[in-house]
Amino acid sequence: GNSVTQMEGPVTLSEEAFLTINCTYTATGYPSLFWYVQYPGEGLQLLLKATKADDKGSNKGFEATYRKETTSFHLEKGSVQVSDSAVYFCALRGGGSNYKLTFGKGTLLTVNP
Amino acid sequence: NAGVTQTPKFQVLKTGQSMTLQCAQDMNHEYMSWYRQDPGMGLRLIHYSVGAGITDQGEVPNGYNVSRSTTEDFPLRLLSAAPSQTSVYFCASSRLAGADTQYFGPGTRLTVL
Repeated sequence: GNSVTQMEGPVTLSEEAFLTINCTYTATGYPSLFWYVQYPGEGLQLLLKATKADDKGSNKGFEATYRKETTSFHLEKGSVQVSDSAVYFCALRGGGSNYKLTFGKGTLLTVNP
Repeated sequence: NAGVTQTPKFQVLKTGQSMTLQCAQDMNHEYMSWYRQDPGMGLRLIHYSVGAGITDQGEVPNGYNVSRSTTEDFPLRLLSAAPSQTSVYFCASSRLAGADTQYFGPGTRLTVL
């Protein structure tokens, strides 16, 4: 079945540091890949997505590239802010009629001023 | 649009009690789903529905029932609560089952004593 493995946290950075959160996946067919973000006390929000190999998703300064050869979708941001402190989830949706989302365990990011 | 709303925000139950977690959306979305979020486990799918009158089991359905009598509402019922059901519950919806973006509610934090 489908599975997502993402970097264990927590991750603590200083403001303006570079962020990478690793995500790898196992899936049959051609999945779509997502990063969701959960701010404290809130539900999840879609941060970015990529639906085919070599696609780059981007939003709010965050980027992730769908790498089929390494089955990866790592999240990056060049300069984090305190307001980026949240839990980040990598997720995939299988191709075709397999439309259910499979989530990774989440990575807590704390950015200090 | 209110988006996806969930009630209550917090609930404490005793073992063996029953209750219903409410979920409603005003976006005319066909697909709705329930997840539970536990520390170190990410989000796990409990039940989902691809339209009114249609429901199916997800990854962890035991102890939970659902129904979908209208497009807007998707309640989750705990028939006999157990301490293992202590969790944060999220409802989500999307326009169609295969749509890229799922919209999450703010969550219900349930404690079973």
